[in-house]
Amino acid sequence: DSGVTQTPKHLITATGQRVTLRCSPRSGDLSVYWYQQSLDQGLQFLIQYYNGEERAKGNILERFSAQQFPDLHSELNLSSLELGDSALYFCASSVAGSNQPQHFGDGTRLSIL
Amino acid sequence: QQPVQSPQAVILREGEDAVINCSSSKALYSVHWYRQKHGEAPVFLMILLKGGEQKGHEKISASFNEKKQQSSLYLTASQLSYSGTYFCGTSGSRGGSNYKLTFGKGTLLTVNP
Repeated sequence: DSGVTQTPKHLITATGQRVTLRCSPRSGDLSVYWYQQSLDQGLQFLIQYYNGEERAKGNILERFSAQQFPDLHSELNLSSLELGDSALYFCASSVAGSNQPQHFGDGTRLSIL
Repeated sequence: QQPVQSPQAVILREGEDAVINCSSSKALYSVHWYRQKHGEAPVFLMILLKGGEQKGHEKISASFNEKKQQSSLYLTASQLSYSGTYFCGTSGSRGGSNYKLTFGKGTLLTVNP
């Protein structure tokens, strides 16, 4: 058990809809990272938050947004969903941003029908 | 830019050794290694930093050639539990509070009895 909690574990929805994925980091970790994992692309970095502020951005679509709240939990919002958004979404956390191990949650599997 | 991992897949018998390589076209400050078993979250194995510092498990070793921008993960006397997909994640950043990792596509390691 990594100590990182992601909910829900599975989401099935339709194209055009909006969903919210939630992540609670390990106790004491200030950084939260979001990744998308699909079969052909591996682990793709989406975005990082550190102590409530956005600190690094990857190939995150404009339809996707995230935030980290004062209690350090984070949410990833995906809107106008397309079939290609079907993937496993992981959240990871680390103590800080710099060269620390990232601890991954069990992921949310998103299926778009 | 995504690092390139080789080989893409390797099959071993228990007790055999394996080497997994990770190469980048960009200057690297750190390399992270993670293992992911099917249907599970990636698990941290090791971090190698420019300058020689390492953080990770005692039973796993790795090297980091800063000049060649390469890292290698050494798995010796493999056990069935070593099976999984190994990912390297690279960063050109020294650190601070923003820390973006770019992951390779992974190497699938299968250990048979």
